Amino acid sequence: EDQVTQSPEALRLQEGESSSLNCSYTVSGLRGLFWYRQDPGKGPEFLFTLYSAGEEKEKERLKATLTKKESFLHITAPKPEDSATYLCAVRVHAGSGNTPLVFGKGTRLSVIA
Amino acid sequence: GAVVSQHPSWVICKSGTSVKIECRSLDFQATTMFWYRQFPKQSLMLMATSNEGSKATYEQGVEKDKFLINHASLTLSTLTVTSAHPEDSSFYICSAPIPGTTYEQYFGPGTRLTVT
Repeated sequence: EDQVTQSPEALRLQEGESSSLNCSYTVSGLRGLFWYRQDPGKGPEFLFTLYSAGEEKEKERLKATLTKKESFLHITAPKPEDSATYLCAVRVHAGSGNTPLVFGKGTRLSVIA
Repeated sequence: GAVVSQHPSWVICKSGTSVKIECRSLDFQATTMFWYRQFPKQSLMLMATSNEGSKATYEQGVEKDKFLINHASLTLSTLTVTSAHPEDSSFYICSAPIPGTTYEQYFGPGTRLTVT
């Protein structure tokens, strides 16, 4: 069974205190790993897609990396507005065409000023 | 840019009634849309895949007669929760593949359903 596990479940940081969120996966055939940000009561907002081990992507204070078994979302010098739940999801090979995503439970990040 | 909208954003209904939730793709066509459900502090769980012009594909454990999905046009999919019960109270989110990308998806803002 395809699984996505995120850790920690919750993370509390001081403003400026860098850290990393982890997403480990066991899937039969990875066709993309995705990071989303979700604010309370809202739908997920797309951040990054990673397709192959060694790939890295950056956006402002966020940097996502991918290995063969896990992905990290690094947050550098976070600000209070970075507080949100960060979701990791994978797309597994299921034939051609569009297929849905398998999500982890997310990491709830709180950045304190 | 491309956006996915949902209506309503929140709804309260009485037990036993039916509720319809709309998911629209704005400025792009979506032959496929996905419906997810999210309980508090839980992840998004796929309920079904909505296909324009054909029957939806439901995930194991999701009752197709209770959660009716209609994808009548290239920009609209609807989810109807029939004979709703309090345990159906949840956050329902739809998504659509982003044109021109391989596997990326846009998500709607979600619909909060409360059944009393």
